[in-house]
Amino acid sequence: AQSVTQLGSHVSVSEGALVLLRCNYSSSVPPYLFWYVQYPNQGLQLLLKYTSAATLVKGINGFEAEFKKSETSFHLTKPSAHMSDAAEYFCAVSEQNQGGKLIFGQGTELSVKP
Amino acid sequence: NAGVTQTPKFQVLKTGQSMTLQCAQDMNHEYMSWYRQDPGMGLRLIHYSVGAGITDQGEVPNGYNVSRSTTEDFPLRLLSAAPSQTSVYFCASSFAGGRNQPQHFGDGTRLSIL
Repeated sequence: AQSVTQLGSHVSVSEGALVLLRCNYSSSVPPYLFWYVQYPNQGLQLLLKYTSAATLVKGINGFEAEFKKSETSFHLTKPSAHMSDAAEYFCAVSEQNQGGKLIFGQGTELSVKP
Repeated sequence: NAGVTQTPKFQVLKTGQSMTLQCAQDMNHEYMSWYRQDPGMGLRLIHYSVGAGITDQGEVPNGYNVSRSTTEDFPLRLLSAAPSQTSVYFCASSFAGGRNQPQHFGDGTRLSIL
């Protein structure tokens, strides 16, 4: 069965510091991986997706993620945090047998200190 | 385009009451899904549909019914509300065509069962 684990339910960084949000997956087939962001009282917005074309994926708002098959990881990074990055971030893998179904990690809440 | 529209945004119910959460999308997406979001658990799939007239269960289907009579609409019905169904509910939609298609989310319905 596929699964996603996000290490750290809360991450706090200072403005201008590196953001690193960790995601590890388990999948018996080549995975399709996604990062979503959720701002307070809003729905989820796609940050980026990995679909095997390139291991380093660039997304919106300066975020990027690197797919590492050997580590079964898809960590999200941003070189310099901004106050507006404060939100909850979800890593997800597309369900093995069919599109339209996502398996989510537990989520990581990012706080940015001035 | 409005994208994915969910109504209502907030609802309080008493135990045993029934209600329908509405979801509509105007992107001509084939796939539609319902998730619930609970603290520390990410999002979990309740039901999904790959097209009009076709639905199937997700990870946590008990206590919920769905139907899909049109491509645009995918309502979620709570037959007899229970406190355990207090949650935030998200509807999502995506194109068919594989596991790499990102899902588009509505802004959610925040439901409290007393």
